[in-house]
Amino acid sequence: DIQMTQSPSTLSASVGDRVTITCRVSQSISRWLAWYQQKPGKAPKLLMYKASSLESGVPSRFSGSGSGTEFTLTISSLQPDDFATYYCQQYNSYPWTFGQGTKVEIK
Amino acid sequence: EVQLVESGGGLVQPGGSLRLSCAASGFTFSSYWMSWVRQAPGKGLEWVANIKQDGSEKYYVDSVKGRFTISRDNAKNSLYLQMNSLRAEDTAVYYCARGGVTPDYWGQGTLVTVSS
Repeated sequence: DIQMTQSPSTLSASVGDRVTITCRVSQSISRWLAWYQQKPGKAPKLLMYKASSLESGVPSRFSGSGSGTEFTLTISSLQPDDFATYYCQQYNSYPWTFGQGTKVEIK
Repeated sequence: EVQLVESGGGLVQPGGSLRLSCAASGFTFSSYWMSWVRQAPGKGLEWVANIKQDGSEKYYVDSVKGRFTISRDNAKNSLYLQMNSLRAEDTAVYYCARGGVTPDYWGQGTLVTVSS
């Protein structure tokens, strides 16, 4: 199975900060990577697919980049609604696998 | 409005069975792959299974192969997950989701607890 490693596991930041989350993959997946946001007690929400394609309705302060084995999710200016846990997911080969998550906390 | 509503979760003993259901509305169910994704308490997300529009293709994570069966009834706009030989490590919130690759709509989840 393809292993996904996110860093950091926890990130403390303030409103207005630029935030970057990294997802490293155990083998090349081209650009078959998605990002999700999850708030406590809620279902995940799709943010990004194919590494850098923004899902409809997602604010443009979210951006994604990368290919192969290293990917990043960037929030250009952190907003109060963005404090949540973020997961990357590969869909290059079955079984689809997720990173362990990055919790973005209020500093 | 797309809606996915899971049901069927609960407390079950190890070795027992449970059948989860997901009622879909607000979109043409028969046109979409569908997925089940689970999340153990306090843990991350784990993809469980997905199924093609007509049910002709199904894929599973290794840990549930031979124990879980995903199915669908397009006439009833419903997705199912039959779970047999349940283990403590199957304890999780199970989400039904639209799409087989990068699900774009998710239900609220149903909690399955496997414990004696």
